[in-house]
Amino acid sequence: AQTVTQSQPEMSVQEAETVTLSCTYDTSESNYYLFWYKQPPSRQMILVIRQEAYKQQNATENRFSVNFQKAAKSFSLKISDSQLGDTAMYFCAFMTPSGTYKYIFGTGTRLKVLA
Amino acid sequence: DTEVTQTPKHLVMGMTNKKSLKCEQHMGHRAMYWYKQKAKKPPELMFVYSYEKLSINESVPSRFSPECPNSSLLNLHLHALQPEDSALYLCASSQLQGGYQPQHFGDGTRLSIL
Repeated sequence: AQTVTQSQPEMSVQEAETVTLSCTYDTSESNYYLFWYKQPPSRQMILVIRQEAYKQQNATENRFSVNFQKAAKSFSLKISDSQLGDTAMYFCAFMTPSGTYKYIFGTGTRLKVLA
Repeated sequence: DTEVTQTPKHLVMGMTNKKSLKCEQHMGHRAMYWYKQKAKKPPELMFVYSYEKLSINESVPSRFSPECPNSSLLNLHLHALQPEDSALYLCASSQLQGGYQPQHFGDGTRLSIL
């Protein structure tokens, strides 16, 4: 069975600084997708970034980038130039091509950006 | 702007009431999902519809009854709920072609059972 682990329940960072959220997963599959979602207090889950396992290049979306280490089964999210609006719960999610389109979520990291 | 629209945003109901949650998307997505989310926890998958057919039921109690009347709409009918069913209910949708597409979530319905 696949599992996703986020070992940091809470983190804080000063505005304009850089922060890294960790995510590890366990799977025997070789082909899969990984996602980071952000859930602010407004409740909506918003896709931040995604990574295809067959791509070695790390995904980047503006201030957000990932460090994908397939052998280590690690998928960390780096937020550069943190902004107050980045305050949210961040969930790492994993999906395999099993045909069920089912996400496996980590337990989340609550990030607070301090002014 | 939210591309997946859920109504109502808040719902308070008694344990004997019958109510429905609604979800709508116009992105042409053919997979739609219901999740239950408790505070400070990740979403838990309840149901998945693909091409308007129920493809996954995660052993959800029968007091929750999903319905997908067409490719744009997803309902969740509620009856005889328990206090522990109080939670945020999230709807999501995704494409089914072109690889493993991310899910797009609505704002959710905050449900409180009295």
